[in-house]
Amino acid sequence: QVQLVQSGAEVKKPGSSVKVSCKASGGTFSNYAITWVRQAPGQGLEWMGGIIPIFNRADFAERFQGRLTITADASTTTAYMDLTSLRSEDTAVYYCARTTYSGSYDYLESWGQGTLVTVSS
Amino acid sequence: EIVLTQSPATLSLSPGERATLSCRASQSADTYLAWYQQKPGQAPRLLIYDASYRATGIPARFSGSGSGTDFTLTISSLEPEDFAVYYCQQRSHWPPGFGGGTKVEIK
Repeated sequence: QVQLVQSGAEVKKPGSSVKVSCKASGGTFSNYAITWVRQAPGQGLEWMGGIIPIFNRADFAERFQGRLTITADASTTTAYMDLTSLRSEDTAVYYCARTTYSGSYDYLESWGQGTLVTVSS
Repeated sequence: EIVLTQSPATLSLSPGERATLSCRASQSADTYLAWYQQKPGQAPRLLIYDASYRATGIPARFSGSGSGTDFTLTISSLEPEDFAVYYCQQRSHWPPGFGGGTKVEIK
């Protein structure tokens, strides 16, 4: 089963941006979607967007359009999530996860350990 | 966008009891629904996919049922490690979002 390891915690100022990485090992990288999900403190899960590396096109939930960039580097089997114009409401644990089926956004079978992003002045 | 509503918000039960969790979709999700378990400080874990199929390594006490707009996760006899928060997720419509969660707590 694929293992996903994310970059470490970040503290950011409002208005800045953050980039979180997600390194995959084991399994096939390019055919499966890497999805980003976030969880604000004490809250539920929120699906943000994802990328299927072989298609080299990212897809986003509407509320993140224009503020979220998702990329993938097949040579290093690493995906990246870049969120700009940060505000306090973006304080959350950000997870990457790989889907169950190839070529589609479906169920999230393998998860990273999560990256806490704190937005504070 | 499909809205998933989970109920109850909190379920207070004792070990050995049966847990029944509900997930209702605002429009049909066919059988394209999953259930996840999340414990404090951990990433979610996939339990059930396509409404009724257990993911790899998931004990048989977990079962899923339903189709269309009404889905159920049943834990036949709660073990101490089952006290956690459970989320449903649909993949039928874009974006593939989550319900608000049900916390199963020890009574």
